[in-house]
Amino acid sequence: GESVGLHLPTLSVQEGDNSIINCAYSNSASDYFIWYKQESGKGPQFIIDIRSNMDKRQGQRVTVLLNKTVKHLSLQIAATQPGDSAVYFCAENSGGSNYKLTFGKGTLLTVNP
Amino acid sequence: GAGVSQSPSNKVTEKGKDVELRCDPISGHTALYWYRQRLGQGLEFLIYFQGNSAPDKSGLPSDRFSAERTGESVSTLTIQRTQQEDSAVYLCASSPRPPLLYGYTFGSGTRLTVV
Repeated sequence: GESVGLHLPTLSVQEGDNSIINCAYSNSASDYFIWYKQESGKGPQFIIDIRSNMDKRQGQRVTVLLNKTVKHLSLQIAATQPGDSAVYFCAENSGGSNYKLTFGKGTLLTVNP
Repeated sequence: GAGVSQSPSNKVTEKGKDVELRCDPISGHTALYWYRQRLGQGLEFLIYFQGNSAPDKSGLPSDRFSAERTGESVSTLTIQRTQQEDSAVYLCASSPRPPLLYGYTFGSGTRLTVV
């Protein structure tokens, strides 16, 4: 029979390297964006957010870049560690709703020691 | 509580049975959300509650799905006559009153398997 498996984009990096995870969002009216990290068996966990009036925001070891012209969002993780291995989702707060988040499909990041 | 609590963490049910999933939001969070996550997929919005306002049910996939919330406390998601395509992780989240400031806080989910 047909098998069903994960079809997530994947990124494999070496420990200590920098990681860049990309996301294309759908709605040009979206004004708020969030990156979530989801470890196996857990719910998504907030990492960093950015509003549409900014193009860059930095946190601890993470940076989010927003390019509204091409509707592109990226998450940069500096000095990636094995504990960063997880699925990463971008989410957008689409215009017309101040509460509903629309999630992308996710990227599986694997960090090799 | 300190976080969003969901129960059960795992549920296996036979096709055609009804199931009820429970969510305890963070105390003081007036907004509560249910999302569904199929294997290897992103999160699909199901329903949103805010205080005593009428819920946004626009994401419920069929009339077999319903959810209730009393005030700003516990919510239950009920799936009647379960089908195999209902197998997924059902995630609950809560937040303070929108507009969103730091997104949602998610629970660990209920993994539902329909056999």
